Amino acid sequence: GAGVSQSPSNKVTEKGKDVELRCDPISGHTALYWYRQSLGQGLEFLIYFQGNSAPDKSGLPSDRFSAERTGGSVSTLTIQRTQQEDSAVYLCASSLPAYGYTFGSGTRLTVV
Amino acid sequence: QQPVQSPQAVILREGEDAVINCSSSKALYSVHWYRQKHGEAPVFLMILLKGGEQKGHEKISASFNEKKQQSSLYLTASQLSYSGTYFCGTENQAGTALIFGKGTTLSVSS
Repeated sequence: GAGVSQSPSNKVTEKGKDVELRCDPISGHTALYWYRQSLGQGLEFLIYFQGNSAPDKSGLPSDRFSAERTGGSVSTLTIQRTQQEDSAVYLCASSLPAYGYTFGSGTRLTVV
Repeated sequence: QQPVQSPQAVILREGEDAVINCSSSKALYSVHWYRQKHGEAPVFLMILLKGGEQKGHEKISASFNEKKQQSSLYLTASQLSYSGTYFCGTENQAGTALIFGKGTTLSVSS
């Protein structure tokens, strides 16, 4: 596609529920990244997929967070048993090696 | 290994210049610069690679001092459209994900 597409754009969920966030990267981009941005804060790295290599999960804050990338394209970030501190904008980005990242518009997650 | 950005905030009038710095405590393979406007996603500005290669666009320039593990972003003759938060992202090894600094907020007024 023309850009990185994320859905939903907004998600309100009750504490303790599971949520799935979707990212559709730019076609042909081999690298896909998930970041989290809390209100007024910087970009916190979560997970990175590169081609068929094992993902770099070093940024996942707890075992409630997981992500997968199917067929080298679409990625889903899953948060289980959501907590209020999970509220943030979740940003997905894709790129070619040694090129800049293209970010999606993000999913704003609110846990109530 | 989060890079340190300075200053935290800059206030300019149109036409003035600004420099934003990014430093790391570890050796760098690449440095990226992004600009984020309020409520929008970050937008790629420039990448600087170890060895001196530079890729980017717009009327903004940057330097990369590998020995000092630092990069600087130069905004000259600032325009209103330059307002936003600037983030540097650093890559310590090829093929790893960027770690971003906390950002520098730039406000340009007429």
